Amino acid sequence: EVQLLESGGGSMQRGGSLRLSCAASGFTFTKFAMAWVRQAPGKGLEWVASVTSTGDSTFYSDSVKGRFIISRDNSKDTLSLQMSGLRAEDTATYYCAKTSALVRFDFWGQGTLVSVSS
Amino acid sequence: IVLTQSPGTLSLSPGERAILSCRTSQTISVSYIAWYQQRPGQAPRLLVYGASGRATGIPERFSGSGSGAHFTLTINRLEPEDSAVYYCQQYGSSSWAFGPGSRLEI
Repeated sequence: EVQLLESGGGSMQRGGSLRLSCAASGFTFTKFAMAWVRQAPGKGLEWVASVTSTGDSTFYSDSVKGRFIISRDNSKDTLSLQMSGLRAEDTATYYCAKTSALVRFDFWGQGTLVSVSS
Repeated sequence: IVLTQSPGTLSLSPGERAILSCRTSQTISVSYIAWYQQRPGQAPRLLVYGASGRATGIPERFSGSGSGAHFTLTINRLEPEDSAVYYCQQYGSSSWAFGPGSRLEI
């Protein structure tokens, strides 16, 4: 059974930094690209960042480019999101997602809430 | 690429059929389209994708179709548990995007 368990969320001041982690199990982590998707309170889904299976390539939405860094540790089956320069608009539940064929997100974690106050 | 979904909210009765629409601002391959369901308080889950793909455990009542810049999610024989927000999602040029969602009330 695929499981994705996010951690690291919490409350931060504007301009601060936070690191999210996602522990993956139930599938061969090294074979699949991974992603972070967020959802602001009461709003829709927004893709944040993706990383290829090897970690060699990363992709970011314009809203986080230059502030967030996605990475993975294939020896520990862990996905991370280093967030810096946090803004109020970064307040959201952050979901870790496994990708299928790099195109879609076939499994999701339960999310971790990040709240940024000004 | 910008995605728009309609209707914003749809209210139907059990046993009826729901047809949800997703339009893209550019023509894309149907292979790059997916649909998700998000029930209140839950994480999204993949429903259908591509021309005819269905995620593991998803009933045959759910089906996707479309081409070019217009895609639809059809849900037959609605059940109360189908009450949720439905999102379409596209992939293109190393970028992923979601539509704003359609709320379905049963």
